[in-house]
Amino acid sequence: DSGVTQTPKHLITATGQRVTLRCSPRSGDLSVYWYQQSLDQGLQFLIQYYNGEERAKGNILERFSAQQFPDLHSELNLSSLELGDSALYFCASSVGREDQPQHFGDGTRLSIL
Amino acid sequence: GQNIDQPTEMTATEGAIVQINCTYQTSGFNGLFWYQQHAGEAPTFLSYNVLDGLEEKGRFSSFLSRSKGYSYLLLKELQMKDSASYLCAVVDSNYQLIWGAGTKLIIKP
Repeated sequence: DSGVTQTPKHLITATGQRVTLRCSPRSGDLSVYWYQQSLDQGLQFLIQYYNGEERAKGNILERFSAQQFPDLHSELNLSSLELGDSALYFCASSVGREDQPQHFGDGTRLSIL
Repeated sequence: GQNIDQPTEMTATEGAIVQINCTYQTSGFNGLFWYQQHAGEAPTFLSYNVLDGLEEKGRFSSFLSRSKGYSYLLLKELQMKDSASYLCAVVDSNYQLIWGAGTKLIIKP
């Protein structure tokens, strides 16, 4: 158990819809990272938050947004969903701002029909 | 640009030894990670190298040569459960983690 909790585990929705993925970091970790992994593809870094502030941004589409709340949990919002957004979305956490993600959640599997 | 290269797929035999190579070209270097990822599961941390040389951890070892931009992950006494993807990732000068596409390792009996 990594200590990182992601909900929901599975999500099935239709094109054009909007969903919210939730992540609770490991206790004591201030950084949260979001990754997208399409079938048989590598991990694509989306965004990192540290203690409520955006710290780094990767290949995140404008249709996607994220935030980290005062209790340090984070949400990833995906809107105007397209078939190509079907993927595993992982959240990871670490202690510091410049630490690296060592603890990953089990992921949310998003299926767009 | 930043680039990390790993073989796409490798096959090895149970009980044998396999070496997975990773070469990188990044803007700066602040360490290299190896992760293991079973299909449909989260990546799990295997090793971290920041200085040249070999780090051994049980059946797994990781080597780094910063001057050559090169690392390898060595897996000994292969077991069927080692069938997974192995991800190489480099920390650049901005402390961003740059990921390789991963090497799918297939273990045969």
